[in-house]
Amino acid sequence: DAMVIQNPRYQVTQFGKPVTLSCSQTLNHNVMYWYQQKSSQAPKLLFHYYDKDFNNEADTPDNFQSRRPNTSFCFLDIRSPGLGDAAMYLCATSPGTFYEQYFGPGTRLTVT
Amino acid sequence: GENVGLHLPTLSVQEGDNSIINCAYSNSASDYFIWYKQESGKGPQFIIDIRSNMDKRQGQRVTVLLNKTVKHLSLQIAATQPGDSAVYFCAERASNYQLIWGAGTKLIIKP
Repeated sequence: DAMVIQNPRYQVTQFGKPVTLSCSQTLNHNVMYWYQQKSSQAPKLLFHYYDKDFNNEADTPDNFQSRRPNTSFCFLDIRSPGLGDAAMYLCATSPGTFYEQYFGPGTRLTVT
Repeated sequence: GENVGLHLPTLSVQEGDNSIINCAYSNSASDYFIWYKQESGKGPQFIIDIRSNMDKRQGQRVTVLLNKTVKHLSLQIAATQPGDSAVYFCAERASNYQLIWGAGTKLIIKP
């Protein structure tokens, strides 16, 4: 089945230690999104790629970076995780910005 | 500014009854609305969407109603089942085509 895959599902990192989360899709969608979701809150958009064009939300901290080496893969890099960065990180894709978004299962990040 | 909000953070419904989850939005220019279901530990799952040129759209056991006059959106779930337990988010498409999410409503099914 076509789908959005996130690895790992659970990630533990130390305060200040860089961490990378990965997302892959078999939907061949043009747009890939990264969201941060904290407990009992709605997902918060960090950035998205339309093909290779990167779009950063204005309030996304510089600590968060992203890479999309090809259509199928997108990575979220957190350069120096703080305790406040502990959250669920969701990857989503869509055929274009006019369409619904398809979400992966998320990666739950713990910062110790 | 653009805002989507929910009236009730938690909704308890008897199994078999119908559920109605409400959502208010503030941007009258929004042209597209979506409902997502998020089960514990999972990513949001698309349920149903509606465009602003429609008032009602039906899916399997779900209906979305859009009242543009009062800027109100609702999700109706017929014959609620235990598997419907989740947090439900409404979202609107903003002028920059990104989704603006509501706060979420937790639906609890009573046996």
